[in-house]
Amino acid sequence: DGGITQSPKYLFRKEGQNVTLSCEQNLNHDAMYWYRQDPGQGLRLIYYSQIVNDFQKGDIAEGYSVSREKKESFPLTVTSAQKNPTAFYLCASSMKVITEAFFGQGTRLTVV
Amino acid sequence: GESVGLHLPTLSVQEGDNSIINCAYSNSASDYFIWYKQESGKGPQFIIDIRSNMDKRQGQRVTVLLNKTVKHLSLQIAATQPGDSAVYFCAEKEGTGRRALTFGSGTRLQVQP
Repeated sequence: DGGITQSPKYLFRKEGQNVTLSCEQNLNHDAMYWYRQDPGQGLRLIYYSQIVNDFQKGDIAEGYSVSREKKESFPLTVTSAQKNPTAFYLCASSMKVITEAFFGQGTRLTVV
Repeated sequence: GESVGLHLPTLSVQEGDNSIINCAYSNSASDYFIWYKQESGKGPQFIIDIRSNMDKRQGQRVTVLLNKTVKHLSLQIAATQPGDSAVYFCAEKEGTGRRALTFGSGTRLQVQP
């Protein structure tokens, strides 16, 4: 089936460790996005990529890094510089930047 | 499951009634708008979209209205069902500049049987 796959669904990390969240899509979409969601808030944009080997910072990029080496993959690394990393992370993709974005099922990251 | 939107505004309706969820946006450069539905612990699901050259668009049981003069978007759900219970987000995208969706804070819809 076509779609967006995020893994793992739940992730635990010790303070001071980097962790990478996976996002893969087989929809042949050009654009991909990472959002963070905290309780009581909407989704906030971390990074986005309109094309392979190119990406832009969103509103809350500090403490995060991404890569876009392949069209179907857009991994997000949460670094130790991110002061409050516990959150629900959502990856999305869209065929073009002016069409609807389709979301994965999210990864819940908890720092212990 | 995970709780999202613990402190969101809540709209409570009776099953079978019509629901109206409102959203105000601030960016006059936005030219594309979407409504998403999010169930607890899951990713948002696309409901309906509208471009700025339109005032109204209808889907199956849903209608989106856009008032660009006052920067207001609404989602109408006809004959609301228990399965419609979720958090609803509006999102907007600029015509130029940043090419990614900006989300509103969301509204929780509770459907009473």
